[in-house]
Parts: sequence; structure tokens; C-alpha cells
Amino acid sequence: GQQLNQSPQSMFIQEGEDVSMNCTSSSIFNTWLWYKQDPGEGPVLLIALYKAGELTSNGRLTAQFGITRKDSFLNISASIPSDVGIYFCAGQFPDSGGSNYKLTFGKGTLLTVNP
Amino acid sequence: KAGVTQTPRYLIKTRGQQVTLSCSPISGHRSVSWYQQTPGQGLQFLFEYFSETQRNKGNFPGRFSGRQFSNSRSEMNVSTLELGDSALYLCASSLEGVNSPLHFGNGTRLTVT
Repeated sequence: GQQLNQSPQSMFIQEGEDVSMNCTSSSIFNTWLWYKQDPGEGPVLLIALYKAGELTSNGRLTAQFGITRKDSFLNISASIPSDVGIYFCAGQFPDSGGSNYKLTFGKGTLLTVNP
Repeated sequence: KAGVTQTPRYLIKTRGQQVTLSCSPISGHRSVSWYQQTPGQGLQFLFEYFSETQRNKGNFPGRFSGRQFSNSRSEMNVSTLELGDSALYLCASSLEGVNSPLHFGNGTRLTVT
């Protein structure tokens, strides 16, 4: 089945630093999504990417959909304490009927920001 | 617009019991999916419902089942609970269409003792 390799598993950085994390897969995806999960809550969608090569920003966050459709990265600039959490990448490939139900998730990157 | 609502937030059950979890999707979303999240396995797809029909199912035993009502609300049921069923169960809803990402609720934390 499809699997995503997300790295790094964890990061410990100082406030103000930039952060980069990525996901790779042996399978292609039509959509890449990045979510953030805080303790005790569900994943919250940060950025959605729909086209190979697409570069999209959401405030201090920037994500790209790899040209090969097998990878994506997420950058966070000028990190702040509230960026702490677990970041997940997810790939989506609709079934033959066009249903977009199923996400394949990476294992997550635990980000800790030291004030 | 209200987000995805899951109830209850926490549940403690004993082995052998059954449990029912509830999910109300975002208004207008007709697709509802369920995921299990554990520290070891991460987020794994359980099943997806659309218009009261299960369209897709993940690799979980038959003890895991669900249903969807005409108002798109969904429930999932786990029978004959095992210790390994302890997890965060997440519900997600989406619009129909390939460019419609999943939006998650805050989950139900199930502990089986």
C-alpha cells in the first residue's frame, strides 16, 4: 500500500528560526495536504496543494507539491512558541469514482520551539 | 460555520464491551470519514460514508462498523472491545470533489481497560 516517509521525526529549535520538513513517497498523489495537531485536538488543515510544482503560502507557512508528485515540503519562517505541535503531511489520490475520502498520512514531525 | 463535532470527547470501557461514537459534519458536507490514531500506527483510515452508504473501508476487523444518517451525521461502533482498540478516533468531513480536503473534529479518546 501507499506509505509516506516524513522527516524529521522531531525538531527542537529556538524562537525566530526557520523550519523545514518534508514527505516522500514511492507512490504518486494528486493532492498533498499539511495538517497541524495540538495536544488533545484533531488535525487542522494548514495548506492544500493540488498541482505538481505548486508553491503555496499561508502566512509564515510555505509548502510545495513536488514535480514528481511523490514529495512535498513545508517551511515555517520566523517560528514562534505557538508553532509547537505535530505536523502531518498527507497524500490523497481519488478512487476511480472521484471520491477523495482516503488520506495516507506521514508519521508526523514533532516541533518544539524554545522561547 | 461550525466545525466537525464529535461526542463524547472521552470514553473509558472495559474489554468485551461495545461503544458508539458520534460525529456531526460541517454543514453541507456529505462525506464523512473515520480514522484511528495511535502512537504506534499513526493515523489509519477506517471507513467513509456518503449519502448513507459506506463507500470505502480500511483494513480493520468487522468489529468496527459505522453508519450515516440522512442528515449526514455518522456513528461508528466497535464491538467486543480489545485493549488494542484504545486510541483517538477522528471523524473528518468534506465536500464531494477531488479538490475538497478533509476537515477533522477533535476526536473521541477511547480507553479500554
